[in-house]
Formats: sequence, structure tokens, C-alpha cells
Amino acid sequence: SQKIEQNSEALNIQEGKTATLTCNYTNYSPAYLQWYRQDPGRGPVFLLLIRENEKEKRKERLKVTFDTTLKQSLFHITASQPADSATYLCALDSSNSGYALNFGKGTSLLVTP
Amino acid sequence: EAEVAQSPRYKITEKSQAVAFWCDPISGHATLYWYRQILGQGPELLVQFQDESVVDDSQLPKDRFSAERLKGVDSTLKIQPAELGDSAMYLCASSLSDSGNTIYFGEGSWLTVV
Repeated sequence: SQKIEQNSEALNIQEGKTATLTCNYTNYSPAYLQWYRQDPGRGPVFLLLIRENEKEKRKERLKVTFDTTLKQSLFHITASQPADSATYLCALDSSNSGYALNFGKGTSLLVTP
Repeated sequence: EAEVAQSPRYKITEKSQAVAFWCDPISGHATLYWYRQILGQGPELLVQFQDESVVDDSQLPKDRFSAERLKGVDSTLKIQPAELGDSAMYLCASSLSDSGNTIYFGEGSWLTVV
């Protein structure tokens, strides 16, 4: 069966450090992978999309890598700030009839001053 | 910036009662999704519409859940009868098309079944 695995344990880091979150998947052949941010009680917000033929993508302090051989994506936040504290969700297209996104459980990030 | 509108924001209902959620997607978005998110889990797709047609409802518990998007714009998700295990956040989302596009989520409708 298809699986998207993200670190279930919360990640606690100090302000200014780089946070690295991991997304591993099995039984997917995704054309692209997306990362979303979710604050408590709110809907997810899109951050970055990376396509299967792209190795790395950057947006401001965010960097995403995509290794289709390892079936893994890494999500980095450099110079982290307390405002970056949230849950980060990895999502893949399901390749079902509608190509809807399937989401991982998310990793909770806490950045302390 | 255009948003996906959902209502109600919060709903408490008794077991076996009916409940309905409404969603108005971003104007021009052909694809509309309903997801369910249990606390501590990621969103799980319930149903996907392309315009007014259902594209995927394989994970929708059809004995008690129904969804419609009659004119291809706004959508309603209904649960009847509600069960305790239905307590969750129901997220509506939309995108321009069904592949390779950003999905925009609403703020969600929190359902508590007592």
C-alpha cells in the first residue's frame, strides 16, 4: 500500500538554527511533491512544490530536495524563527483517477528563542 | 487574496443527527476537494470534484456521507447520521485543475459529535 512517512516526534530547535524535516514514501511514482504548513486549528497553507525532474528548490529561507531514487524529500528552514513553529505536511499526488494529494501525518516544529 | 470559504466554523451535534458543511471555492477553480483531518493526523481525501462531476469518492463512507456540487461552484458535504468517530476537522480545498497545481485550503469546519 502507499505510505508517506514523516517524523512523528516533534522537532525542537533553537532560533537561528536550520530545521530539517524528512518525508519518505513507498509505492508512489509521484510527478511532484509538495510541502504545506499548518498552524493549530487552521487549514494547511502551500509552501513549495518540487517536480520529479528537479533535485532542489528554494524559496527565501526554505529549501526542498527530492530524491526519487531514495524516495525521500528533505525540507529545510534556515535561520529558523519562533514564527516558523507549526506542523509541516508532505504531500504527493495519489495517481488515482483524480490525482488528488495524499498527505503525511506531518511533523511538528517548535523553534525556541 | 481570494480564499476558500467554509461554514460553519464549529459544529457540535448529537450522535445520530444530521450535519452539513458548506464550501465556496476560489472563483475559477474547477477542482474542489473535501478532506477530513483527525487530530494528530494528516488530511485524508473524502471526495474530489471536477466541475460538477465526482472524480474520486473511493474513501467517502457512502452509507452516511454525501457530497454534491450541483452547479460546479459551491459544495455541500452532509453526514447523516453522525457518529462519535466522525469528530474531526472537515477541510474544503480547491485548485485550478486536478494535476500539478497548488491546493488552497479553507480554514476548516470543526465537528464534535457528542
